[in-house]
Amino acid sequence: GENVEQHPSTLSVQEGDSAVIKCTYSDSASNYFPWYKQELGKRPQLIIDIRSNVGEKKDQRIAVTLNKTAKHFSLHITETQPEDSAVYFCAAPTGYSTLTFGKGTMLLVSP
Amino acid sequence: DVKVTQSSRYLVKRTGEKVFLECVQDMDHENMFWYRQDPGLGLRLIYFSYDVKMKEKGDIPEGYSVSREKKERFSLILESASTNQTSMYLCASSLEVRSLPNSYNSPLHFGNGTRLTVT
Repeated sequence: GENVEQHPSTLSVQEGDSAVIKCTYSDSASNYFPWYKQELGKRPQLIIDIRSNVGEKKDQRIAVTLNKTAKHFSLHITETQPEDSAVYFCAAPTGYSTLTFGKGTMLLVSP
Repeated sequence: DVKVTQSSRYLVKRTGEKVFLECVQDMDHENMFWYRQDPGLGLRLIYFSYDVKMKEKGDIPEGYSVSREKKERFSLILESASTNQTSMYLCASSLEVRSLPNSYNSPLHFGNGTRLTVT
């Protein structure tokens, strides 16, 4: 099955700085990589995803990059704001219908 | 907007009790999932279902069972609760999308979670 490693487990930045979270996966056949954000006390929600036919995808201040050769993908948040503080999960598909998640990164943005 | 509703936000049960966690979704999704969330361990899949009366084991099914009698409802059952099952339980649903292996790409819609404490 798929194995997803996520780093770092915690990340503290100052407001306005950039934040990068990295994930590696084990199954070279995987070709869809979503990122979920979970604010304190709330449910995880999909914020961005990438398919293996592209190397980068942007949505305003967030972007995801994918390196299929190295089997890793990263989430980039620019100009961080306090409301970006949350736990972020990366994931990769397992089989036909499920996702395997990384262990999560707690991002803290200080004003 | 997809709504996934878990019946209880907080639950306290005693060791050995049989526990039912209920989840209902309103978007006619084929797939439903139960995850367990623990600090430092992320989201781990317990069971999932891709159709009524169908179920598949996830990564950590031991000590749990599930029931899906209707498309919109997916129940997680702890046959005999133990203290190591104290956790946050998250239900999710998604649309079935025909895909190749390892390319599953339908977004998961999560419920708000049930925090279960077993004493």
